[in-house]
Amino acid sequence: SAVISQKPSRDICQRGTSLTIQCQVDSQVTMMFWYRQQPGQSLTLIATANQGSEATYESGFVIDKFPISRPNLTFSTLTVSNMSPEDSSIYLCSVVAGNEKLFFGSGTQLSVL
Amino acid sequence: KQEVTQIPAALSVPEGENLVLNCSFTDSAIYNLQWFRQDPGKGLTSLLLIQSSQREQTSGRLNASLDKSSGRSTLYIAASQPGDSATYLCAVIPRDYGQNFVFGPGTRLSVLP
Repeated sequence: SAVISQKPSRDICQRGTSLTIQCQVDSQVTMMFWYRQQPGQSLTLIATANQGSEATYESGFVIDKFPISRPNLTFSTLTVSNMSPEDSSIYLCSVVAGNEKLFFGSGTQLSVL
Repeated sequence: KQEVTQIPAALSVPEGENLVLNCSFTDSAIYNLQWFRQDPGKGLTSLLLIQSSQREQTSGRLNASLDKSSGRSTLYIAASQPGDSATYLCAVIPRDYGQNFVFGPGTRLSVLP
């Protein structure tokens, strides 16, 4: 199994500012995934973060808006840049561990005013 | 393209009732199927993982079944309790690891005391 510590758990931010979300995993994992969950919606994959290489972004998401760092095999950050109210969502990090099982962090609930 | 649906979208039951949540997927070429629970504003907690070679998995009051050929999975909750109130999501893990996990929209469950 894998235990993921994600912070902050929630934040209220002003339009035009940036927020960095951190995820720490208790074991080494090759890939970490960042998801967005807009109000009332299911999860949408933002990007896959591999250690030592640039993140792979899904259609509709760009590095300038959602820069990701992956400095080692247990840690990753996602930054939401130049925020607007449309960025208000829950942001989730996840990893695959043991038998292709998906584990999630506790989520970051972001509200942009 | 894999699509996952869940029925019903919302369900309200009195405490003590047994209930069934449904998950359907369009492409039977899956590796695993995983059920999650999500509390409001929080991350996802893994409930059960069913590998493609398995028919069902049980954990406590929860039982999940998988019928790959018909593209269906069910989550059975016995003797429901108010603490079971949450959104339940299923996710399909594709056989081709290069593909993304695909999530259903979730079923919002309310168990009334």
